[in-house]
Amino acid sequence: DADVTQTPRNRITKTGKRIMLECSQTKGHDRMYWYRQDPGLGLRLIYYSFDVKDINKGEISDGYSVSRQAQAKFSLSLESAIPNQTALYFCATSAPTGIGNGYTFGSGTRLTVV
Amino acid sequence: AQTVTQSQPEMSVQEAETVTLSCTYDTSESDYYLFWYKQPPSRQMILVIRQEAYKQQNATENRFSVNFQKAAKSFSLKISDSQLGDAAMYFCAYRGGTSGGSNYKLTFGKGTLLTVNP
Repeated sequence: DADVTQTPRNRITKTGKRIMLECSQTKGHDRMYWYRQDPGLGLRLIYYSFDVKDINKGEISDGYSVSRQAQAKFSLSLESAIPNQTALYFCATSAPTGIGNGYTFGSGTRLTVV
Repeated sequence: AQTVTQSQPEMSVQEAETVTLSCTYDTSESDYYLFWYKQPPSRQMILVIRQEAYKQQNATENRFSVNFQKAAKSFSLKISDSQLGDAAMYFCAYRGGTSGGSNYKLTFGKGTLLTVNP
């Protein structure tokens, strides 16, 4: 099994619909992140969580919300999807401080809002 | 806030040749980490190489090496003996260290699409 699992892998939804992207990890890491990738823009941080009770907005959090249900689970919700939220979404985890191992990424969820 | 700049949206290289991808960054922190990630068409994010800012020696991983110039805030990736499987999007990324204010988030550049020609 993958260390970081994202579901669904691909999703098409209609404008105005609520949608949830799910992420679970087996790394045992406290830190979890949601990123959005758009062509020509790289990856941008939406939300991050350093533990179950610590959730923080990233640089592009408008229109999104998150839930940290457990250490291993971190979900991203689009309350009312709009077409410009069409993107590739990545969940990631990271090791504790002092260990510069970067992140472990999920395989991404490609979301299309029509 | 930290920024990462990749000035080459696209690069191409002949198979077996060497190519260098550029990355510059801006930070006021003294302790940080730098990374290169590879994203093939499968879209998986794969860590290629990392560099700790306190280390003067450039990191090397097989055919991949970096030229880390701390004073110039430059972190280029050199791929030697390029292979068809190296074709991918490459992202440079920055992460603050324990003494910084960036809270260990990764900040990415916009990416460089590398094509390898047979």
